[in-house]
Amino acid sequence: QSALTQPASVSGSPGQSITISCTGTRSDIGSYNFVSWYQQHPGRAPKLIIFNVNSRPSGISSRFSGSKSGDAASLTISGLQAEDEGDYYCSSFASGNSVIFGGGTKLTLL
Amino acid sequence: QVQLEESGGAVVRPGASLRLSCAASGVPVNNYAMHWVRQAPGKGLEWVAVMSSDGNNKYYADSVRGRFTISRDISKNTLYLHMNSLRGEDTAVYYCAKDRYDEPPGCFESWGQGTLVSVSS
Repeated sequence: QSALTQPASVSGSPGQSITISCTGTRSDIGSYNFVSWYQQHPGRAPKLIIFNVNSRPSGISSRFSGSKSGDAASLTISGLQAEDEGDYYCSSFASGNSVIFGGGTKLTLL
Repeated sequence: QVQLEESGGAVVRPGASLRLSCAASGVPVNNYAMHWVRQAPGKGLEWVAVMSSDGNNKYYADSVRGRFTISRDISKNTLYLHMNSLRGEDTAVYYCAKDRYDEPPGCFESWGQGTLVSVSS
């Protein structure tokens, strides 16, 4: 299966909001509510920030929110802070009992 | 507190075999689905394999099916990835990840720090 489609990069100023899109197909995002989002800083392991489309793990700021419509999902980060800079990946459960990731989006703070 | 520690990464020749280990603490490896996820240098994440909590279901990415095998030793609370016929495109940091559930919807709740596998002639 092909990777989910994410923009290569997004940017925003501190305090602003940004949204990262993640486009899939009927075989993944369109069929399952198992969409997750991960944050990764350089040299570090990824960190789960959103699961099941719009749920936050304990300890994750409410500034992070997720949604889904049809074959696409999105991550919104409000009130951008310096520590939000990094790479973001979406993932989805997919047909055939597999998991598929997006190509990743680099978030840069201006 | 869940801790996952991968080991076994090495520099190997194409065609070689390697076994990666993921020692878990704070969580039994047979309580949740456990995955391997890899990341090639400078690239994105790629799911590799998963074992369900009961051990009955194992699934693999198309890119590794038939070459890689996921297994575990409950007595050692350790997950393994046996890799055969290694290729250059298998070069990556390999992460062990614990799912939030006992079956694999792919919600990677906890991650290890990763171990580097480099395949080069």
